Amino acid sequence: AQSVTQPDIHITVSEGASLELRCNYSYGATPYLFWYVQSPGQGLQLLLKYFSGDTLVQGIKGFEAEFKRSQSSFNLRKPSVHWSDAAEYFCAVGAYGATNKLIFGTGTLLAVQP
Amino acid sequence: GAVVSQHPSRVICKSGTSVKIECRSLDFQATTMFWYRQFPKQSLMLMATSNEGSKATYEQGVEKDKFLINHASLTLSTLTVTSAHPEDSSFYICSATAGGGSYNEQFFGPGTRLTVL
Repeated sequence: AQSVTQPDIHITVSEGASLELRCNYSYGATPYLFWYVQSPGQGLQLLLKYFSGDTLVQGIKGFEAEFKRSQSSFNLRKPSVHWSDAAEYFCAVGAYGATNKLIFGTGTLLAVQP
Repeated sequence: GAVVSQHPSRVICKSGTSVKIECRSLDFQATTMFWYRQFPKQSLMLMATSNEGSKATYEQGVEKDKFLINHASLTLSTLTVTSAHPEDSSFYICSATAGGGSYNEQFFGPGTRLTVL
């Protein structure tokens, strides 16, 4: 069965420091992979997605993610975190076929300290 | 482009009443809409998938008689929580896809906070 694991429930980084949020997936074929960000009480905003091609994907707000098939991972990175990046981050895998379902990880809550 | 709205953003109701939440695609035709439920500090759980003009497909464990979904047009889907109880209090989020591709990106609404007293 398809699944997504985000091992880190909560991460705190200092403003200006680099960030890496981990995501591992279980899927029978090459997956469609996504990272979303959610601010408190808000919906989800797509940061970036991987469908095929270059395994290093650039997204909005300075984020990037790298698809590593051998590790079944799709970690999100940012070289320098801003206080406005504090939010909940969700990794998701998309299912093939007509359903187009998304399966979400449990999320990582990012706190940014001055 | 690809904007999805939800109404209301917040609703408080008494136990036993029904509440309707609307999800609209504002600038595209949504062949498929999804309804998610999110408990505090938890992930999104897919409740059901609805295609315009057909019955919704519910995920395992979701009561279809309690969570009525109607996708009457290509721009509107509604979720009605019938006979709501305090345990139905949650954050409900919809998403919509335009269709036509091998994988169709979901665009999310801002969510509706339901509180049942």
